[in-house]
Parts: sequence; structure tokens; C-alpha cells
Amino acid sequence: SQQGEEDPQALSIQEGENATMNCSYKTSINNLQWYRQNSGRGLVHLILIRSNEREKHSGRLRVTLDTSKKSSSLLITASRAADTASYFCATGKSGYSTLTFGKGTMLLVSP
Amino acid sequence: DARVTQTPRHKVTEMGQEVTMRCQPILGHNTVFWYRQTMMQGLELLAYFRNRAPLDDSGMPKDRFSAEMPDATLATLKIQPSEPRDSAVYFCASGLFIQGGRGETQYFGPGTRLLVL
Repeated sequence: SQQGEEDPQALSIQEGENATMNCSYKTSINNLQWYRQNSGRGLVHLILIRSNEREKHSGRLRVTLDTSKKSSSLLITASRAADTASYFCATGKSGYSTLTFGKGTMLLVSP
Repeated sequence: DARVTQTPRHKVTEMGQEVTMRCQPILGHNTVFWYRQTMMQGLELLAYFRNRAPLDDSGMPKDRFSAEMPDATLATLKIQPSEPRDSAVYFCASGLFIQGGRGETQYFGPGTRLLVL
């Protein structure tokens, strides 16, 4: 069964706007990761947040994690057309290498 | 620039034929994963290896799929016989697992797009 569920399924914005994607999960986790997938390509790791962290930044990306609500959000600020892609959250458990991926949010950034 | 490579990138075959997909993980990574991606099911883990030993292949249909790591630089995924429902994109990913670590990043290859007619 899917551990992470992204919301919304699709998001369409204009360049310069911020994009927020959410991820909910069901069981306890050790870490949560966000990946990006451009059309026809493999997934690319964006950011990892550990279960004892609440917020993390990387460039224009900001990730929050609320373990009490079992949810995470990915914020992309000042979006660009090149940010157009699908974004996946993936959850990992302690002692395990495997990640469970959600079905992703498809982001379209129009010039 | 270290990256995971996969061959072939595209494969079209007829039902019943054998399909072999290959993956070269990033040098130094000790864990290799095989995933399948479809529109309906999303990204599914098929199998994974640690130090070339299979740790979990519960996601694979055992009767037709097999995964191996002949050496540290090569992972293979075979389907025999292939069926139309196997049509999907197959990804290999590698990572470095550290005991007691707090999560590892997975590095994905470009995928093999398989179409079984």
C-alpha cells in the first residue's frame, strides 16, 4: 500500500508564484524525502528531512515535517518554467533502506 | 559526474520473449533497487540488494521475474516470458547504506521503457 500520498495531484501556476505540495503518510517514519521527475527521466533527489527535524531549506525549496500530523509540505518559491515536473514524497523507516513513494504531484509552471 | 546507467533505454518486444535489463550502480554504493513505474500503480519496489545479496524481492512476480547482481558493477532484471501487462518503465537506483544512519538518498538511473506487444 502507498505510504505517502501527495496533494494536490496536479498544480498549475505562473512563473514567479510559489508552489506548495503536501504529503501525508500513515505509519511512523525515520525520514521523509522529496524527489523530482522530469518527463521521461529518472527521479532526482531534492531534499531529505529526518523525523527529529521540523523544517529544512535548500535554495528555493523549503520542506516542513509534522510528525504529529504525519504530514510534510514542499514549498518552491519564485517558481520557474524549469520547475515543471512531477514531485514525489518518499518515506523511510528506521533500519531500512527502502522508501515508499507516493503517486506524485504534477506541477506545471507557465511562463 | 557519477550516475546510475541503464540499458537499454527503450525495448519493444513481443509477448513470450525474454527481456533483460541492465544497470550499473554508482561506484561505491552498496545497495541497488529495482522499481517499476506505471500510471496506474505509480512507483513500485520490485527488489533490492545489499552488497550484491538479495534482501527483498517480494515485489516481483516470482514466476517470470528474476533479479541478480553478478558483480558489484552490474545488476540485471529479467522477465521470461514477458507479457503485455509488464509494459512499464523500469528504474534502477543505488544508494549507500550506513548502519545506524538516518536515511539514505537513492540515485536513479534514466530507466528502461518496456513495451510488450
